[in-house]
Amino acid sequence: DAKTTQPPSMDCAEGRAANLPCNHSTISGNEYVYWYRQIHSQGPQYIIHGLKNNETNEMASLIITEDRKSSTLILPHATLRDTAVYYCIDALTNTGNQFYFGTGTSLTVIP
Amino acid sequence: NAGVTQTPKFQVLKTGQSMTLQCAQDMNHEYMSWYRQDPGMGLRLIHYSVGAGITDQGEVPNGYNVSRSTTEDFPLRLLSAAPSQTSVYFCAVGGGTEAFFGQGTRLTVV
Repeated sequence: DAKTTQPPSMDCAEGRAANLPCNHSTISGNEYVYWYRQIHSQGPQYIIHGLKNNETNEMASLIITEDRKSSTLILPHATLRDTAVYYCIDALTNTGNQFYFGTGTSLTVIP
Repeated sequence: NAGVTQTPKFQVLKTGQSMTLQCAQDMNHEYMSWYRQDPGMGLRLIHYSVGAGITDQGEVPNGYNVSRSTTEDFPLRLLSAAPSQTSVYFCAVGGGTEAFFGQGTRLTVV
C-alpha cells in the first residue's frame, strides 16, 4: 500500500505557481521523496527527488520539511501541459525501482 | 520513453489463455520492474528485478511470472488470464535517481 497521502484534486490558474502537498507520516530515515507525474494514460514521468534538502531542477522545486513528514512540489509557472496526476512516493534508492504509488493528486491547470 | 520498449500496445485475451508482455531496454540499466494500473488507481508493483538472474515479487504478483535472463529484457508472463487481470501494464527501467516508464500495454481479458 502507498505510504503517502495527497489531496485527490487541485486546480491552478495558468501562469501561477502550483503547490502540491504530500504527507509522509511513515517515511524512514534512508528513504527519499520522489515525485512523478502521469499525463493522460502515458507512463509516469520523473520530476524530482530529494532526501532532506530542498531541491530544484528545470521542471520543479521540492520543499521537504525538517522532520520530513511532509513535502511540497512547486511548479513555478504552471502551463496547460502540466495538467496531470502527480504522485509522491517514499522509496529507497538502492533496491530497484520499488515504488508504491497512491492515487495521487489530479492537477488541472485552468486557462 | 526513449530506451524502454513495450510490446504489444494493445491485446485482447480470452479467459484461460496465456501470453507474454515484452519489455526491452537499451539503457543497460540493472533495475527493471512491472506495474499494473487499474482505472482510477495508481500503479501497483507486480515484480521487479535488480539485475540479470534476480527477480522478486512486488505488491500484486499472483497470476504473473517473470524471468531476467539478460540485462535488456524483462518479460511478464500471464499463465492463465483472468478478467481481473484486465489492466494497463507498465514496464519501468532504472531507479535510484529516476525511473523511465514505457508507454504501456492495454490488456483486456474477456
